[in-house]
Amino acid sequence: QITLKESGPTLVKPTQTLTLTCTFSGFSLSTSGVGVGWIRQPPGKTLECLAFIYWDDDKRYRPSLKNRLTISKDTSKNQVVLTMTNMDPVDTATYYCAHRGYLSGSWDTGNFDYWGQGILVTVSS
Amino acid sequence: EIVLTQSPGTLSLSPGERATLSCRASQSVSSNYLAWYQQKPGQAPRLLIYVASSRATGIPDRFSGSGSGTDFTLTISRLEPEDFAVYYCQQYGSSPGTFGQGTKVDIK
Repeated sequence: QITLKESGPTLVKPTQTLTLTCTFSGFSLSTSGVGVGWIRQPPGKTLECLAFIYWDDDKRYRPSLKNRLTISKDTSKNQVVLTMTNMDPVDTATYYCAHRGYLSGSWDTGNFDYWGQGILVTVSS
Repeated sequence: EIVLTQSPGTLSLSPGERATLSCRASQSVSSNYLAWYQQKPGQAPRLLIYVASSRATGIPDRFSGSGSGTDFTLTISRLEPEDFAVYYCQQYGSSPGTFGQGTKVDIK
């Protein structure tokens, strides 16, 4: 059974750096082909893919946010960490981590077959 | 970046009725890498369909996907009470992957 759960601060100030952790079970990020992604959803709006990390430590980022995002993994802890610098109120959103699904195309993108519950991050002074 | 336009914005139907949701892409979706998700309030999205027409694990067969190129459809053959939710399409054939703005299916 695959499960994922996000953790981190729910309130950050403008210009601060956000660090979110995804702790997962039911799969290994050392298995060939496996990937984990981060997706966000502002309140009342649609979803946006942010970043992916793969079993071989390949990392892919949304081009428009690439200079603000860093994704990393700790395979021994079954964790993926996303950092986003220079937070702004427009970055207020629910942030999800998810397991990249089957037949997901190129490594820059993918569908998501298992999701965490999400964490609402508010950016406000 | 491929823009996905979903229609209608809201679909008001009764349980037992058929729902037809549309997703139109601004350019052709490579290899029909098009997915559909269901999202209920306060919950994460749930994958229903991938590569346009393949049902994800555990998804009832009342959900079906069709289409290719730029025009895709999600059909719910007979609405159950638990199907009233927001549905999103996502293309992942081109980077960055993008989502439509959603179609809300509510109870008439």
